[in-house]
Amino acid sequence: TQLLEQSPQFLSIQEGENLTVYCNSSSVFSSLQWYRQEPGEGPVLLVTVVTGGEVKKLKRLTFQFGDARKDSSLHITAAQPGDTGLYLCANKLSFGAGTTVTVRA
Amino acid sequence: SQTIHQWPATLVQPVGSPLSLECTVEGTSNPNLYWYRQAAGRGLQLLFYSVGIGQISSEVPQNLSASRPQDRQFILSSKKLLLSDSGFYLCAWSLMGPETQYFGPGTRLLVL
Repeated sequence: TQLLEQSPQFLSIQEGENLTVYCNSSSVFSSLQWYRQEPGEGPVLLVTVVTGGEVKKLKRLTFQFGDARKDSSLHITAAQPGDTGLYLCANKLSFGAGTTVTVRA
Repeated sequence: SQTIHQWPATLVQPVGSPLSLECTVEGTSNPNLYWYRQAAGRGLQLLFYSVGIGQISSEVPQNLSASRPQDRQFILSSKKLLLSDSGFYLCAWSLMGPETQYFGPGTRLLVL
């Protein structure tokens, strides 16, 4: 089981600002998933990345997979209150502890 | 379209009492099914997964058990709850593999 470390643990920003959260491992990922979870609900899959160096965009969200496939980042441009939630990275059945993002109006 | 249900949504149980949480999936056949537990605001811990009826793999030794009596039904049970069993229990399903999982709404369990 790969240990997935996410940073920061908490992030609070003003609406309109940008943010980046990170997911790291000492091992090489075969693939990596990013989920968003709102309070009291189940996580929702945002994206899966599989190729080193891969960049995927989902509206204002940009996901990057490191060249060595050991790390990944999620960047949100012009954050909105609707982006508030717990962002989890996962490698199949192993999940990181998540980054709690709060976007203040 | 596929949907996943969990019930109950919230449960408060005394220490030592039994537990039964149910998860059902609609709109798909032969899904892989998963039970996770999540501490407040934290990541998910895989408890059990199943690739077919009667096939259960346990990831964490504890006083919980799981059963899959039907293709689209997954049940999480305990004979005697512990305080440490409190948490948010999530059921999920997938088809080809665990890379794409669809989660249910969860059950919040408080053991007092």
